[in-house]
Amino acid sequence: GIQVEQSPPDLILQEGANSTLRCNFSDSVNNLQWFHQNPWGQLINLFYIPSGTKQNGRLSATTVATERYSLLYISSSQTTDSGVYFCAIRPGNTNAGKSTFGDGTTLTVKP
Amino acid sequence: NAGVTQTPKFRVLKTGQSMTLLCAQDMNHEYMYWYRQDPGMGLRLIHYSVGEGTTAKGEVPDGYNVSRLKKQNFLLGLESAAPSQTSVYFCASSYLQGGRNTEAFFGQGTRLTVV
Repeated sequence: GIQVEQSPPDLILQEGANSTLRCNFSDSVNNLQWFHQNPWGQLINLFYIPSGTKQNGRLSATTVATERYSLLYISSSQTTDSGVYFCAIRPGNTNAGKSTFGDGTTLTVKP
Repeated sequence: NAGVTQTPKFRVLKTGQSMTLLCAQDMNHEYMYWYRQDPGMGLRLIHYSVGEGTTAKGEVPDGYNVSRLKKQNFLLGLESAAPSQTSVYFCASSYLQGGRNTEAFFGQGTRLTVV
């Protein structure tokens, strides 16, 4: 099956700093999503981004499907950005709905 | 519009007991999924459904059964709970757009402990 690798595994920032999280995948994808899991365990949809670039406030994401990676940018980080960021991949050879999650990047933003 | 709702939110079971987790979505989504998340890990797919009356195995299906009798509901059953099934369970649903399976939305999770 498709392999999904996220980096870095852990990231500690001071409030106000910028960061880039990366998701590499081993095969063509049908879709890709970024999620934020907050400290209470809730999974929040950030971006549905099988290709191209999207922005939502301080967050933006870019997926380069031909080179098999996606990037999540967080600017001017806030303590509420803390949590785990997951990318989830659905491979391109099926429409059956199976997603593979990466192991996540744990972000800690210090005040 | 409540989105994806899971019932219950917390549960403690004794080894060998059975239970059913309910997932309900009000978005008329075609696909539904059950995942488990163990500490420090990403989500792993247990079972999924591409439509009413259909189910399929995911990555870690052993020890679980599912049913989708109605489009809006997806049930996850544990017939004989084991401590290895202690986990947080997430339900999700996704929709078709132009024949393509697109964005998935998740419930709030069910924390299950088997003692």
